[in-house]
Amino acid sequence: DTGVSQNPRHKITKRGQNVTFRCDPISEHNRLYWYRQTLGQGPEFLTYFQNEAQLEKSRLLSDRFSAERPKGSFSTLEIQRTEQGDSAMYLCASGLVPETQYFGPGTRLLVL
Amino acid sequence: AQSVTQLDSQVPVFEEAPVELRCNYSSSVSVYLFWYVQYPNQGLQLLLKYLSGSTLVESINGFEAEFNKSQTSFHLRKPSVHISDTAEYFCALLIQGAQKLVFGQGTRLTINP
Repeated sequence: DTGVSQNPRHKITKRGQNVTFRCDPISEHNRLYWYRQTLGQGPEFLTYFQNEAQLEKSRLLSDRFSAERPKGSFSTLEIQRTEQGDSAMYLCASGLVPETQYFGPGTRLLVL
Repeated sequence: AQSVTQLDSQVPVFEEAPVELRCNYSSSVSVYLFWYVQYPNQGLQLLLKYLSGSTLVESINGFEAEFNKSQTSFHLRKPSVHISDTAEYFCALLIQGAQKLVFGQGTRLTINP
């Protein structure tokens, strides 16, 4: 058990570019969550997968955001046509039950 | 809608002094409550949680929190802090039966020698 891993850890991009982040959950965890944390704020829920099915999405997840979890293992979060307001830390968490969510180190995105 | 309010954005204390980080929540349905800690440049780590049973819950490193339903609070306390406790602390709730954690804004705990 190596914990939840996220790649890349840091990403700098120019406004309008597309970016993709990857999350590798703890093996055998069927639940996977994405959260976003802006500076000085607590994390905010984005979306939730149970196995490969995306079961819940926040209103924060605009149509420029898409998340997938093919085969119920790793997950990707893509942001199209990035905006400066997308600059944040993107956190992934996994677990077997919602009461126990293990967080990864996050991917820090800076949109210039 | 459910919400979590952490009343202090920053709390400076001296080493070996006691500390209390305040957390109040709002919910019309039953919730579970959590405290997470985030050390610099690291992800969130679960510190302790209240699911049911005893309203006083403890962590392995000396923190404790008490669930107070009438006050809708879940304050975090430690009788004597160490430099290594310097971090940001987040209070969170989970509606029973739901999936997403709802976090407060965080409290930055700074320990001065």
